[in-house]
Amino acid sequence: KNEVEQSPQNLTAQEGEFITINCSYSVGISALHWLQQHPGGGIVSLFMLSSGKKKHGRLIATINIQEKHSSLHITASHPRDSAVYICAVGPDKLIFGTGTRLQVFP
Amino acid sequence: DGGITQSPKYLFRKEGQNVTLSCEQNLNHDAMYWYRQDPGQGLRLIYYSQIVNDFQKGDIAEGYSVSREKKESFPLTVTSAQKNPTAFYLCASSKTGFYGYTFGSGTRLTVV
Repeated sequence: KNEVEQSPQNLTAQEGEFITINCSYSVGISALHWLQQHPGGGIVSLFMLSSGKKKHGRLIATINIQEKHSSLHITASHPRDSAVYICAVGPDKLIFGTGTRLQVFP
Repeated sequence: DGGITQSPKYLFRKEGQNVTLSCEQNLNHDAMYWYRQDPGQGLRLIYYSQIVNDFQKGDIAEGYSVSREKKESFPLTVTSAQKNPTAFYLCASSKTGFYGYTFGSGTRLTVV
């Protein structure tokens, strides 16, 4: 069993839908990261969480340390949100999930 | 703007040749990392360095070598000993103790 599990692996949505991507982990962590990888391959860091909830624009990330679970929500999804979303946990050396591929259609 | 520069974006090499991937950062980050990404798998750590002139092996270091002669630079050499070098390679950096990561745009290496 992987130390970081993401679900679903693939997700398709219509523009405007509310999206939720889940991440569960089995190791002790000091921080959890949500990353976005576009088809070109470069990765952008969306959030780093150690507790509670963070919001940036249409993106919301939450973490429950006791349950070892985090969710990434996208409100009012748009085709430009289409990407692979990756959860990673650490302190310094990150352990990565395999990613959730999101496609948003107009 | 500060960031991480990886070059080249695409690289083709013949089997048996060593190849060096460049990673430069101007973020004044102490720690730098090399990850490998294969289809359907999470990123895996190859090598990391937390300070100049020091580096440690990650989970899949065999067939790779690194150096950290300057804080800004952490080049990765894929040697002929790496049995399956074709992959996407990502460099990252972080300010130790802060945990904030910055990633490069990656280098896609194809060995033919």
